[in-house]
Amino acid sequence: DIQMTQSPSSVSASVGDRVTITCQASQDISTWLAWYQQKPGKAPRLLIYSVSTLQSGVPSRFSGSGSGTDFTLTISSLQPEDFATYYCQQANSGFTFGPGTQVEIK
Amino acid sequence: EVQLVDSGGGLVRPGGSLRLSCAASGFTFTDYAMNWVRQAPGKGLEWVASISSESTYIYYADEVKGRFTISRDNAKSSLSLQMNSLRAEDTAMYFCARGFWAAGALRYFDPWGRGTLVTVSS
Repeated sequence: DIQMTQSPSSVSASVGDRVTITCQASQDISTWLAWYQQKPGKAPRLLIYSVSTLQSGVPSRFSGSGSGTDFTLTISSLQPEDFATYYCQQANSGFTFGPGTQVEIK
Repeated sequence: EVQLVDSGGGLVRPGGSLRLSCAASGFTFTDYAMNWVRQAPGKGLEWVASISSESTYIYYADEVKGRFTISRDNAKSSLSLQMNSLRAEDTAMYFCARGFWAAGALRYFDPWGRGTLVTVSS
């Protein structure tokens, strides 16, 4: 089974900050990686799929990069509505989510 | 507007059964695979099961194989999850999610229902 790790587990940031979250797969997953955003008490929302393709309606301040085993989600200028937990998910073999990264207000 | 409405959760004793439902609207149900994903309280996301558009292909996580059954009724645009032999570790919010295809395979989940809470406790 493919395992996913994320770092950091939480990050404190201010509005306007650039935030970077990393995700690592235990084996090569090519470019089959997605990022989801989840706010408290809400369902997850697909932000980015296949590493770097923004889902419809997602602001351009979100971007993704990487391939193989190492991936990154970047929020270029953090907005108040971006405070949430972010999960990566591999889709190369089965479906596995990372443990999540909580983006908190500094 | 695409909508997925999960229902059927509740409190059940260990070893008991529960059936979850997901009512879909706003899209052509028969065009999409459907999925269940769960989230234990305060924990991360865990894929549970997937079913193809015509129920030809069905997949389960090892943790639920043999105990859970995913099914769909295309005439009613509904998805179900029959859960038997429930354990404390099955306690979670259960989300139904539409399948998102890329390069000829089910890869991602979008959108998601709001979830229904299953609590397994004596």
